[in-house]
Amino acid sequence: DAGVTQSPTHLIKTRGQQVTLRCSPKSGHDTVSWYQQALGQGPQFIFQYYEEEERQRGNFPDRFSGHQFPNYSSELNVNALLLGDSALYLCASSPSPQGTGNTIYFGEGSWLTVV
Amino acid sequence: EDQVTQSPEALRLQEGESSSLNCSYTVSGLRGLFWYRQDPGKGPEFLFTLYSAGEEKEKERLKATLTKKESFLHITAPKPEDSATYLCAVQAPGGSYIPTFGRGTSLIVHP
Repeated sequence: DAGVTQSPTHLIKTRGQQVTLRCSPKSGHDTVSWYQQALGQGPQFIFQYYEEEERQRGNFPDRFSGHQFPNYSSELNVNALLLGDSALYLCASSPSPQGTGNTIYFGEGSWLTVV
Repeated sequence: EDQVTQSPEALRLQEGESSSLNCSYTVSGLRGLFWYRQDPGKGPEFLFTLYSAGEEKEKERLKATLTKKESFLHITAPKPEDSATYLCAVQAPGGSYIPTFGRGTSLIVHP
């Protein structure tokens, strides 16, 4: 049973550039959430996708956008990169939108360094 | 605003020295409290979900408990391989059911 998979694992970008991160959810899961984790911090919620629509959004600027495909996989796009965007980006999946205590499962993350 | 506070921030133990990590929360209508283990540079690995006060769950040397205000992760006779950051998250209606994470407790177990 494949878990949550993310790509790429590491990448380095220059300020002002754009980046796309990809995620495939755990088998049987249709809801994907993205989190940003800075060093020494807990994961911070960016947004959640279900049925190819953004359902919830955290306190992140519009430079952060996403997409969900019919096969439930998802992309996170960040435009006009800032040095402060350097972090571990985590994808998490769950069965159906949460509200009943569904556990979310994380991928290994994509390390983004902005220079 | 929902709050999740984990303590201590860091904990150093000798192998075999049992201890507990704390996760206190201030949310209404808790739907679930989650514990994860995170190794350096890796994604969080799911450990437990607790749903109601009084509930307990165990896995190997770990035992998680839940009250109406806090959760404890008890580590019995830890081994060096238990070294990791342990994250707690809560899910409640006030946060639109999106899990809110604490900053974690960094545990180091010395041989």
